Amino acid sequence: NAGVTQTPKFQVLKTGQSMTLQCAQDMNHNSMYWYRQDPGMGLRLIYYSASEGTTDKGEVPNGYNVSRLNKREFSLRLESAAPSQTSVYFCASTEAVPWEGLRRTQYFGPGTRLLVL
Amino acid sequence: TQLLEQSPQFLSIQEGENLTVYCNSSSVFSSLQWYRQEPGEGPVLLVTVVTGGEVKKLKRLTFQFGDARKDSSLHITAAQPGDTGLYLCAGKINAGNMLTFGGGTRLMVKP
Repeated sequence: NAGVTQTPKFQVLKTGQSMTLQCAQDMNHNSMYWYRQDPGMGLRLIYYSASEGTTDKGEVPNGYNVSRLNKREFSLRLESAAPSQTSVYFCASTEAVPWEGLRRTQYFGPGTRLLVL
Repeated sequence: TQLLEQSPQFLSIQEGENLTVYCNSSSVFSSLQWYRQEPGEGPVLLVTVVTGGEVKKLKRLTFQFGDARKDSSLHITAAQPGDTGLYLCAGKINAGNMLTFGGGTRLMVKP
């Protein structure tokens, strides 16, 4: 059981380049999330997918798109990277849907460190 | 201004000392979680509290949810170097579908 896996671990981009961050979970979870973490800001939700086939905006969705490819995989795309998107990106999954509250554990991946020059 | 304010932002103590970190908000949360994150890794859930006034203990860690469900605290007794890390609180507002994180408290416990 690998849990939540993310690729790549590190990436350097030039302003304007595009890339896709990949996330997969093997726990048969319904809900998946993408967060970004910046110093002193905690984690901020970018997008989430309550279940396969649905996606919703989080707190900071501008400049990003997502795809829930199937129940296992949830990708995050930066179409035209900007220096403000330099951050550490975490994918997470949980068995519960968001409106069930926090009674279920969110499992996080190890993160992708992105630097946009 | 963040919805969840954590204090202090940084804390450096000696092994064996006690400490308390705080998570405060002006909003009411239906439930709140505490996570610990080590460098280069994702956060790992420590506890979930759902009832106002609830106290949960996890070995040397004691978590309390405020009566009004607007704040929470984490108390560590006899801190050890293995407690070093970033402690994050996260809450869900009643009507919302999103989990909101605080900015974190970075704890260093020196041997």
